[in-house]
Amino acid sequence: KNQVEQSPQSLIILEGKNCTLQCNYTVSPFSNLRWYKQDTGRGPVSLTIMTFSENTKSNGRYTATLDADTKQSSLHITASQLSDSASYICVVSGGGSYIPTFGRGTSLIVHP
Amino acid sequence: DAMVIQNPRYQVTQFGKPVTLSCSQTLNHNVMYWYQQKSSQAPKLLFHYYDKDFNNEADTPDNFQSRRPNTSFCFLDIRSPGLGDAAMYLCATSRDATDYEQYFGPGTRLTVT
Repeated sequence: KNQVEQSPQSLIILEGKNCTLQCNYTVSPFSNLRWYKQDTGRGPVSLTIMTFSENTKSNGRYTATLDADTKQSSLHITASQLSDSASYICVVSGGGSYIPTFGRGTSLIVHP
Repeated sequence: DAMVIQNPRYQVTQFGKPVTLSCSQTLNHNVMYWYQQKSSQAPKLLFHYYDKDFNNEADTPDNFQSRRPNTSFCFLDIRSPGLGDAAMYLCATSRDATDYEQYFGPGTRLTVT
């Protein structure tokens, strides 16, 4: 069964600090992995998309890594800002279907 | 520029009173999806259309129906909303079955009283 597990479930950090969110998946065969940011009461917005051959991809202060061998990804946020407070969702496509598998998300709260 | 638009953003309905949520897209994408998302949970796929082909998830309640009259528009009908149907409803699109990038609308927050 295709599954995406994210950790931690929630995270509280101080403004300016860095943090790393984790995503493990069992989707096979793998097609791509995306990280979305979802602000409270809004729809998800894509941060990065990574295919099998990509190990790292950056979008401003967000850097995603992918290890397709261990089926793990991480999202690193540098110099966090209050506006980074949101849910971060890992989504994996593949598994013989074009319907992606969603993780439950990590809720990040950045305190001043 | 808005690409996936959902209306209304907030909807309050009474228990058992039918409600329709709408989604439109300016991307000319072939695939449209409806997701239900409850607090602190992952979005749950209800339906998707690949062009005009309708695909119903096995565990989507019969209370939920969908229509896609043309490429740009898709509707979610809840025939008799229950308290458990209160949630955020997300519409998403993707270009086709080989392009997995999904674009989400802002969502409609449904409250059932």
